[in-house]
Amino acid sequence: DTAVSQTPKYLVTQMGNDKSIKCEQNLGHDTMYWYKQDSKKFLKIMFSYNNKELIINETVPNRFSPKSPDKAHLNLHINSLELGDSAVYFCASSQDQNSGRYTQYFGPGTRLTVL
Amino acid sequence: KNQVEQSPQSLIILEGKNCTLQCNYTVSPFSNLRWYKQDTGRGPVSLTIMTFSENTKSNGRYTATLDADTKQSSLHITASQLSDSASYICVVSARAGGSYIPTFGRGTSLIVHP
Repeated sequence: DTAVSQTPKYLVTQMGNDKSIKCEQNLGHDTMYWYKQDSKKFLKIMFSYNNKELIINETVPNRFSPKSPDKAHLNLHINSLELGDSAVYFCASSQDQNSGRYTQYFGPGTRLTVL
Repeated sequence: KNQVEQSPQSLIILEGKNCTLQCNYTVSPFSNLRWYKQDTGRGPVSLTIMTFSENTKSNGRYTATLDADTKQSSLHITASQLSDSASYICVVSARAGGSYIPTFGRGTSLIVHP
């Protein structure tokens, strides 16, 4: 009964390829997020979706495109992968963004390695 | 530019001892400050959240303090356990229109030895 799940856990691919990471939450939350954690361990928000609507898009290259088929899913598609995309990607969810006091629940992460 | 600085970068203590981690921030306009615990290979887990008007918040053996005037926060861990070994991340969110944009610190890596 994992709250926020991501697949795959590890992803190794060649430069130039297109790949997707899936995220699902079973908490009934309205808001979902994607974060990138680089090799220096800094976490940085990439996207935030509230009820399937994009509300945060933080200077992410347009090679990255989130897709939210429904409130429980937020998938991340990455086109033309580059070496610098290698990182751990975390999905998260929260009840909502309106109050600002939400607790975010993170998934286990997907380690992406671009060769 | 919004920034969150944490110190020390790493810390080694003996089981049973107390420790305090520091967080300084320059985030504006300030909305809230959170502390997360991240075990190796796992996603962060929320420990505490504080808004401008709150200056202390406890969660079991974890106590966070916030001084909004000096823009400093600390996380105090009491009677440390081996399972406390993890990275502790300070996150400060700024209000931006209808959204809340988080800025993450690099984290303090804590190792608790038996």
